[in-house]
Amino acid sequence: DIQMTQSPSSLSASVGDRVTITCRASQGIRDDLGWYQQKPGKAPRRLIYAASSLQSGVPSRFSGSGFGTEFTLTISSLQPEDYATYYCLQHNSYPLTFGGGTKVEIK
Amino acid sequence: QVQLVESGGGVVQPGRSLRLSCAASGFTFSSYGMHWVRQAPGKGLEWVAAIWYDGSNKYYVDSVKGRFTISRDNSKNALYLQMNSLRAEDSALYYCARDPRGSGWWGFDYWGQGTLVTVSS
Repeated sequence: DIQMTQSPSSLSASVGDRVTITCRASQGIRDDLGWYQQKPGKAPRRLIYAASSLQSGVPSRFSGSGFGTEFTLTISSLQPEDYATYYCLQHNSYPLTFGGGTKVEIK
Repeated sequence: QVQLVESGGGVVQPGRSLRLSCAASGFTFSSYGMHWVRQAPGKGLEWVAAIWYDGSNKYYVDSVKGRFTISRDNSKNALYLQMNSLRAEDSALYYCARDPRGSGWWGFDYWGQGTLVTVSS
């Protein structure tokens, strides 16, 4: 199974800050990676697919990068509605596996 | 618009069975792969099972193989998860999610709101 190591597990940031979350795959997964946002009591929603493509309707302050084993989700200017937990997902091979999550909290 | 509505969750004793359903609308259900993803209370997300658009291929996480069965009825726009021999560690919110393609696995572009399964004596 491919292990997805996500870091940090939590972070505290202020509105307007630039935030970076990283996922590392235990083996190469090309660009078969997505990023998901989950707010408390809500279903996750996809932000990024194919490592760097922005899902329709997602604000442009979200961006993704990476290929192979190292991936990054960046929020260029954190907004109040961005406080949530973020997960990466690899879909290169089954079983599909998620990272452990990053909880973004208000500073 | 795309809608996925799960049902069938509840409280069940260990060793018993439960069948989850997911009603799909707003898209051509028979053209898309579908998944079940679960989330234990306060924990992260875990992929559980997938089925291709025509039901020809099914995949499971190791922890549920031999106990859970994913299926679909394209004539009813419905996805199912038959869960047998339930264990306490199966307690979770179960989400139905759509794959953006019909075959293979490409992530999840739409999610339902989930149905809660609690396994307890």
